[in-house]
Amino acid sequence: GAVVSQHPSRVICKSGTSVKIECRSLDFQATTMFWYRQFPKKSLMLMATSNEGSKATYEQGVEKDKFLINHASLTLSTLTVTSAHPEDSSFYICSATARGGARTDTQYFGPGTRLTVL
Amino acid sequence: TQLLEQSPQFLSIQEGENLTVYCNSSSVFSSLQWYRQEPGEGPVLLVTVVTGGEVKKLKRLTFQFGDARKDSSLHITAAQPGDTGLYLCAGNDYKLSFGAGTTVTVRA
Repeated sequence: GAVVSQHPSRVICKSGTSVKIECRSLDFQATTMFWYRQFPKKSLMLMATSNEGSKATYEQGVEKDKFLINHASLTLSTLTVTSAHPEDSSFYICSATARGGARTDTQYFGPGTRLTVL
Repeated sequence: TQLLEQSPQFLSIQEGENLTVYCNSSSVFSSLQWYRQEPGEGPVLLVTVVTGGEVKKLKRLTFQFGDARKDSSLHITAAQPGDTGLYLCAGNDYKLSFGAGTTVTVRA
């Protein structure tokens, strides 16, 4: 149980275009979803936290107008990278918690999406 | 700000040897988790430790949580090539704060 999927797994786009990444909880309702970014051989950096039906909370230094997050249902959150540039190339990973995001709740991670901006 | 420090950053050992990865923090967390990540994939949860002084075993892996709930260690006995990967510790206090990771390579 507690499977999280991401789509697409890989995407290559031209500079200036927008890219949407989907994160789905397949067998549970995810009231809270998290979006992370990971550079090669580096750790995961939290970008934002989203709760179903409300605006996402962004970490310091993350541009909310560039990284649009929508958590419209209990099983789907989307991250849209707007006007992508080569420096946005990275591995984007989402995670989800099954309850209200209590302090000790386990986050279940998706397989990640590799974004390459040419 | 990196709240969790992992050491060593890289570890390369021969099959059959033992290894230990350390995770230290100046903060107290509600719980601490260890993940293993392979290239191009998301991290996979290995264990969650909650109680200070707790020791958990997962086959050849032994996890310890410090008494003050600020530090933890992961010990692998008789490492195998399949143990190769990036090991991440993460402090859980609603949001996860990840350490920088330890890249473990086990040579056959």
